[in-house]
Amino acid sequence: QSVLTQPPSASGTPGQRVTISCSGSSSNIGSYAVNWYQQLPGTAPKLLIYSNNQRPSGVPDRFSGSKSGTSASLAISGLQSEDEADYYCAAWDDSLNGWVFGGGTKLTVL
Amino acid sequence: QLQLQESGPGLVKPSETLSLTCAVSGGSISSTSYYWGWIRQPPGKGLEWIGSIYYSGSTYYNPSLNRRVTISADTSKNQFSLKLSSVTAADTAVYYCARHSSAMPYTQLDYWGQGTLVTVSS
Repeated sequence: QSVLTQPPSASGTPGQRVTISCSGSSSNIGSYAVNWYQQLPGTAPKLLIYSNNQRPSGVPDRFSGSKSGTSASLAISGLQSEDEADYYCAAWDDSLNGWVFGGGTKLTVL
Repeated sequence: QLQLQESGPGLVKPSETLSLTCAVSGGSISSTSYYWGWIRQPPGKGLEWIGSIYYSGSTYYNPSLNRRVTISADTSKNQFSLKLSSVTAADTAVYYCARHSSAMPYTQLDYWGQGTLVTVSS
């Protein structure tokens, strides 16, 4: 059971917009920035979004993040086949004094 | 370009100690600007943070692993290490090392190693 809650799966067709939610509590998302990681099959996670809504250099602007209260969301617009991957949210947790991750969402491009 | 490379035994016996090293190139772990961390991922499952270290030796550990984990840094070799004692099959996972983006442990992990699979089995 992960501290941060994500839907196990999401799907969309090419060109569509999909969103992935991440729910936490006041000790993690409510107090700290949320980061999102993309993990393509067989590869290491890659930082996709940091500080709730910032994109590292090289990440397409099709990817965007938002946070409200104790929840966060990742949105992917103009869905492409290469976006098929697992997506994880993460945040620091005050009560654990450490990092917590969501269980991951497997995105399928139909 | 910063690169991180995990190394260590791919097979560890139950009850023994898992030992891994993360070699850093293209940057210095002695930099006052970064924390360095370990994360693992059991086969087919999600990510779990293990712990993080600053070059000075300051550490943060996952409370669920705290009593079995030791993370240390060797600035002379520009590497940091993970030791996990009394392992069981539940510790079978791909182990990743990574860099935090600043000298605060609560900042994002922005550079990751490729990961190394460690299997616990007799």
